[in-house]
Amino acid sequence: GDSVTQMEGPVTLSEEAFLTINCTYTATGYPSLFWYVQYPGEGLQLLLKATKADDKGSNKGFEATYRKETTSFHLEKGSVQVSDSAVYFCALRSNYQLIWGAGTKLIIKP
Amino acid sequence: SQTIHQWPATLVQPVGSPLSLECTVEGTSNPNLYWYRQAAGRGLQLLFYSVGIGQISSEVPQNLSASRPQDRQFILSSKKLLLSDSGFYLCAWSVPGQGETTNEKLFFGSGTQLSVL
Repeated sequence: GDSVTQMEGPVTLSEEAFLTINCTYTATGYPSLFWYVQYPGEGLQLLLKATKADDKGSNKGFEATYRKETTSFHLEKGSVQVSDSAVYFCALRSNYQLIWGAGTKLIIKP
Repeated sequence: SQTIHQWPATLVQPVGSPLSLECTVEGTSNPNLYWYRQAAGRGLQLLFYSVGIGQISSEVPQNLSASRPQDRQFILSSKKLLLSDSGFYLCAWSVPGQGETTNEKLFFGSGTQLSVL
């Protein structure tokens, strides 16, 4: 069945460092891909999405490109801030439901 | 504006005890409602979804049940908790989609961390 694999955490970086959180997927057909974020004490929020190959989703300085050839949707940010500390979930939409990765906890130190 | 409330935030229960987690949505009508669970180190798993009062679909067999007694109220229950029920439970809602599709814009509650001892 369809699945999502993302890098294990926690990922610890210093402020202003470059961030990459890897996400790869297996799916039949052409799924839509998403990154969700959960800040401490808050609910999950949609961060960005891409609906077809080569699309780039972006929001709040984060970017991810839908790579069909490598079945990947890696999350990147050029310069992270302490406020980016959160848990990040990669997901794909298969038929009528979302398939989720296990989540990656990101810790940014000042 | 729409808001979703989920409680309690944390819960410690002994094995064999009952469970009731409640979720309510405000500011919208006839939402799709969902219960997800995240076990340690695993992705979010859809447990139940509901497209209307009294309409519950179960995605996985388990000793949990869900009910929707009112349009904007979704309750997750168990008569006897198991150790394997420990995890992080999230309630979510979305605007009903077209046909059998769902809108990917899910709005989540803040979650309940359940520890079964």
